[in-house]
Amino acid sequence: EDQVTQSPEALRLQEGESSSLNCSYTVSGLRGLFWYRQDPGKGPEFLFTLYSAGEEKEKERLKATLTKKESFLHITAPKPEDSATYLCAVQALSTDKLIFGTGTRLQVFP
Amino acid sequence: DAGVTQSPTHLIKTRGQQVTLRCSPKSGHDTVSWYQQALGQGPQFIFQYYEEEERQRGNFPDRFSGHQFPNYSSELNVNALLLGDSALYLCASTEGGYNEQFFGPGTRLTVL
Repeated sequence: EDQVTQSPEALRLQEGESSSLNCSYTVSGLRGLFWYRQDPGKGPEFLFTLYSAGEEKEKERLKATLTKKESFLHITAPKPEDSATYLCAVQALSTDKLIFGTGTRLQVFP
Repeated sequence: DAGVTQSPTHLIKTRGQQVTLRCSPKSGHDTVSWYQQALGQGPQFIFQYYEEEERQRGNFPDRFSGHQFPNYSSELNVNALLLGDSALYLCASTEGGYNEQFFGPGTRLTVL
């Protein structure tokens, strides 16, 4: 069964304190792995798509990496406005649906 | 360029009632997917519409049904509402179904 597990569930960082979020997955043939950011009460905002092991993508303070079993979202020198829930999702070759993890709730305080 | 839009923003219904939620996809997108997100959980796939037909369905009962119109907009209908149907309902659009899915702001449904 295709599955996504994210850790930690919650993370508190001081402004400027870099860290990483983990997304472990099992899927019967990976089409793509997606990272989203979600603010409370709002829809997920697309961040990155990764397609193959070894691929990396960057956007401002965020960098996403992918291996055959997991993905990491690295946050460098975070700011309070980076506070949100970060969701990871996979899409298998045999389907169009996204399978999401439960997310990591990130809080960055000054 | 307008993104994905959904209406209404909030809804309150009682058990047993029926509800219709609406979604307009991002310009240029022809595929619409619906997701249910319970509090503290990740979104769960309900179904996807392409060319006005249901292309794929998740593990949801037949009480959940949908429709896609010629202009690619879509509706989600839920019959015989249960307390457990209370959630944020998200619509996502994409071009062709295999690319990035862009989400709308969601409709918050509360069933009393």
